[in-house]
Amino acid sequence: GQQVMQIPQYQHVQEGEDFTTYCNSSTTLSNIQWYKQRPGGHPVFLIQLVKSGEVKKQKRLTFQFGEAKKNSSLHITATQTTDVGTYFCAGPLGTSGSRLTFGEGTQLTVNP
Amino acid sequence: DTGVSQNPRHKITKRGQNVTFRCDPISEHNRLYWYRQTLGQGPEFLTYFQNEAQLEKSRLLSDRFSAERPKGSFSTLEIQRTEQGDSAMYLCASSQGGGRRTQYFGPGTRLLVL
Repeated sequence: GQQVMQIPQYQHVQEGEDFTTYCNSSTTLSNIQWYKQRPGGHPVFLIQLVKSGEVKKQKRLTFQFGEAKKNSSLHITATQTTDVGTYFCAGPLGTSGSRLTFGEGTQLTVNP
Repeated sequence: DTGVSQNPRHKITKRGQNVTFRCDPISEHNRLYWYRQTLGQGPEFLTYFQNEAQLEKSRLLSDRFSAERPKGSFSTLEIQRTEQGDSAMYLCASSQGGGRRTQYFGPGTRLLVL
């Protein structure tokens, strides 16, 4: 079936190091969304990418949507302890295009 | 607070019991979604409503699960004859429209079936 895959599953970094998580879809996506989930929390929307090759920045976070609209990445520059959490990508798959299919997430831990 | 709210936040029940969860979406949102999340996994889609109409259901939604949104506002998710495998976080999300519309998640109901 249609899938969204994410790597790596876990990433441990020292504070100040950079972090990148990658997302790949088995099919072309109309858009891709990124969420952050803190430990014990719920997914919080970060951003949506729609256009092929789109790049968006939010402070230290850079989001990219691939040219073929099948892959995406999230890069955090100079991580801080507040960046700790699991980062999920999600794409609208299925016949209606309304259900979000989430990747398994990348769990980021930041050592101070 | 005008975000998505869910009640209860935690539920412990014994196997075989029925449980019901409630979700109140953001007031102007016409779409409401239910997802299930187990430890270490991303949320998995269960079902969604547009207004009061249930438009899509996942294979994960067995016949023990039923969801309603009777007046197109709040929604309930009922699990009958709970099993230990039903233990998970049940997340509700809402959006104004579908497709490219952002889904905003509630805090979830964490279910533990003993």
